Amino acid sequence: ETGVTQTPRHLVMGMTNKKSLKCEQHLGHNAMYWYKQSAKKPLELMFVYSLEERVENNSVPSRFSPECPNSSHLFLHLHTLQPEDSALYLCASSQDWELGRLYGYTFGSGTRLTVV
Amino acid sequence: QQQVKQSPQSLIVQKGGISIINCAYENTAFDYFPWYQQFPGKGPALLIAIRPDVSEKKEGRFTISFNKSAKQFSLHIMDSQPGDSATYFCAATSYTGNQFYFGTGTSLTVIP
Repeated sequence: ETGVTQTPRHLVMGMTNKKSLKCEQHLGHNAMYWYKQSAKKPLELMFVYSLEERVENNSVPSRFSPECPNSSHLFLHLHTLQPEDSALYLCASSQDWELGRLYGYTFGSGTRLTVV
Repeated sequence: QQQVKQSPQSLIVQKGGISIINCAYENTAFDYFPWYQQFPGKGPALLIAIRPDVSEKKEGRFTISFNKSAKQFSLHIMDSQPGDSATYFCAATSYTGNQFYFGTGTSLTVIP
């Protein structure tokens, strides 16, 4: 099992629902990321947290709200989503944000989100 | 604008054959090029990576070839096995950048 655990694995929600995705890492990493993976599209970086502070926000709609209460946990709060938000949401971590590229990212298995 | 273009979208190879996946980029500031492997139901995992100061890097059956002048790099899987069936993503980043730019992925199927 990967060092990055995501729950739930699958989520179906209505457009008016509020739900949260959870990510947990026990690798001692200082940086955590949320990515969106859609079919036939590049992985899309959504948010970056370094030492529990948000350092990157790539023009993501406000219906996605991240939270990083400590260096081991990352949440993605969802509300009023649209059907086009259906995708695989991946959490990743790296030893260090600025040097993450030197050590690679460790990805979780993702949450398959379906908005109906 | 797509920073890294990857082809083909899907690939079917006979067991024992060579799988080749290609990527191209435009940003000459990119200086780190990893490949990720993703099995169904799993997240991507770092497979192999190269920097532009070398033209080739080999790890077991996996080789990255890098052509700096053409701004292209490719992944070669020698003696492909059914267990190599997965989606492969190329990526690129720069020393001054703070994110990876991924290709759209190649679904590889190795048939026995």
